[in-house]
Amino acid sequence: DQQVKQNSPSLSVQEGRISILNCDYTNSMFDYFLWYKKYPAEGPTFLISISSIKDKNEDGRFTVFLNKSAKHLSLHIVPSQPGDSAVYFCAASAKRTGNQFYFGTGTSLTVIP
Amino acid sequence: NAGVTQTPKFQVLKTGQSMTLQCAQDMNHNSMYWYRQDPGMGLRLIYYSASEGTTDKGEVPNGYNVSRLNKREFSLRLESAAPSQTSVYFCASSEGLALYEQYFGPGTRLTVT
Repeated sequence: DQQVKQNSPSLSVQEGRISILNCDYTNSMFDYFLWYKKYPAEGPTFLISISSIKDKNEDGRFTVFLNKSAKHLSLHIVPSQPGDSAVYFCAASAKRTGNQFYFGTGTSLTVIP
Repeated sequence: NAGVTQTPKFQVLKTGQSMTLQCAQDMNHNSMYWYRQDPGMGLRLIYYSASEGTTDKGEVPNGYNVSRLNKREFSLRLESAAPSQTSVYFCASSEGLALYEQYFGPGTRLTVT
């Protein structure tokens, strides 16, 4: 049973516009969330994280928002650039009770020049 | 710094054959992981090692064994390969469990015929 879900397999955005990638989770014990970016034939690379004590974390063009009541997080990329074209995975863990991250199925972002 | 390295990059096995996937990290990380990535399934944890000398099962351990040879190296063994084990395998490492981002290797693409 998928505890972390990314319901949009793909997303296309014009260069310069905002990209919004969404992630939902079912386990209310999750309290730490990460986003990874993956290019073809490479391993995922860490992008940004957020703890459940926050509702927003920003790093340059990347912002992650967390809505705990809705069990939903989103990644905003502004402005989007062609080099952002990749697969994005969200992941979640429960630091008090768990030892592992659970990953979503990924969203493939294409930024059109 | 090479980060996380994996060998081999590609492998084709016949059903019933065995093989070992090798992983090494040079970041002095305590924890190491093996994931598999299948289409539409995201990344699923096979086994992990919280620290040198310990290993634990993840979500999908059946058909696999692991060895944490030392702090740097964590190998994954398929004793009798099956077509269902056709996948891309990623090794990762982190400073610790659950709260720390993971650094991934480039992956091993395994096909079992």
